[in-house]
Formats: sequence, C-alpha cells, structure tokens
Amino acid sequence: GQNIDQPTEMTATEGAIVQINCTYQTSGFNGLFWYQQHAGEAPTFLSYNVLDGLEEKGRFSSFLSRSKGYSYLLLKELQMKDSASYLCAVRATNAGNNRKLIWGLGTSLAVNP
Amino acid sequence: GAGVSQSPSNKVTEKGKDVELRCDPISGHTALYWYRQSLGQGLEFLIYFQGNSAPDKSGLPSDRFSAERTGGSVSTLTIQRTQQEDSAVYLCASSLFAGRNSPLHFGNGTRLTVT
Repeated sequence: GQNIDQPTEMTATEGAIVQINCTYQTSGFNGLFWYQQHAGEAPTFLSYNVLDGLEEKGRFSSFLSRSKGYSYLLLKELQMKDSASYLCAVRATNAGNNRKLIWGLGTSLAVNP
Repeated sequence: GAGVSQSPSNKVTEKGKDVELRCDPISGHTALYWYRQSLGQGLEFLIYFQGNSAPDKSGLPSDRFSAERTGGSVSTLTIQRTQQEDSAVYLCASSLFAGRNSPLHFGNGTRLTVT
C-alpha cells in the first residue's frame, strides 16, 4: 500500500530551529511536496524535491533521500506565525495516474514565545 | 482574482438534500482537483480534471458524488442526497499543468455540515 508518516504534533520556541520528518512507502516516486496549512485556511505550497539533497528557500529548507524514503522540512528562526500544520505529500508514479498526490496527516507545529 | 476561489465558504444542509459546491481556478491553470479534508484525516482525493475531462474519478466516494468542469475553468462538485458522513471541508486546487513539479494552489474550501 501507499503510506506517508509524519509526527502528529511538535512544539518549539520562537527563534529556534525545528525539523519535521516525513517517511514514505509508495509504489513509485515522482516528487515530494511540503505544504503549510494554518487553521481554517487553505494549504499553501512551500517546497518541492525530486532529487536527493537539500533545497533552501529563505528560512525554510527541505531535504530528500529517495533511497531511505525520507524527507524533512527545516524551519529556522522560528516565528509565532509559523504555528501551523505542515503537510507532506508524495506523487507516486503508480497511484492510478501520475497526477494524484498521497498526503500525510500533517504535523501540527506550535511555536511558543 | 489572483487565487482559487470557492463558494460557498460554509454550507449547512439537511440530510437528504442536494448541494452544489463551486470552484473558480486560477486563470490559465489547466489542471483542477477536488479534495476532501475531515478532522484528523489527511487530504482525500476525489477527482481530477485536465481541461474539461476527468481522467481520474477514482476518489469519488459513491455515485451520489459527481463533478463537472466547463470551459476549462469553473468546476462544480455536486453531492446528492447528502449524508452526515459527507460533512467535511471540500478543497479545490488548480495547477498550471498536471506535470510532476507543478504545485497545487488551493482555495479556502467549503465547510459542509450535514445535519
């Protein structure tokens, strides 16, 4: 089957660094996305990885290891507004078609002052 | 508008009634997706459109659910004879194309409550 695992909840302190992990088991792999979702709002796109390595975008970075079926999202210099749910999604090549994402349940991050 | 627009934002309906949810994607986006999100559940894929065609309807939960897209733009998701288990947030997303690195842009969703 297809499966995405993320921690359910995490807590961190303003100004700190937090790493949110995502592991996946899918029948194929054609890219991994991270989205941010504030309560009551739409998910918004953060990053995309298809090759191994680290992609950096401002305070956010995302890492991928295809051989390990593993990704993480790294948030630096945490701000209160970073309190949100972070969703990991994998585009699996054999998911019926090449366009359907498999979503994790999300990691709810609470940033405390 | 610049983003994906969904209406209504909230809908309360009685069990057994039909509801219609609307999605207006970003102009020029060829791919359109419907998802459902319930509390404590991940995003559940419902249906995907490429242009006006729906190559993948595999996620529709039952034959009470249907969707169409006209003019390669606006899409409507219709739920007939609503049941309480249909209560959820229905999210629409569009992407420039259906290729692997084209991110989804989501609307704010329609919160459906079936009483």
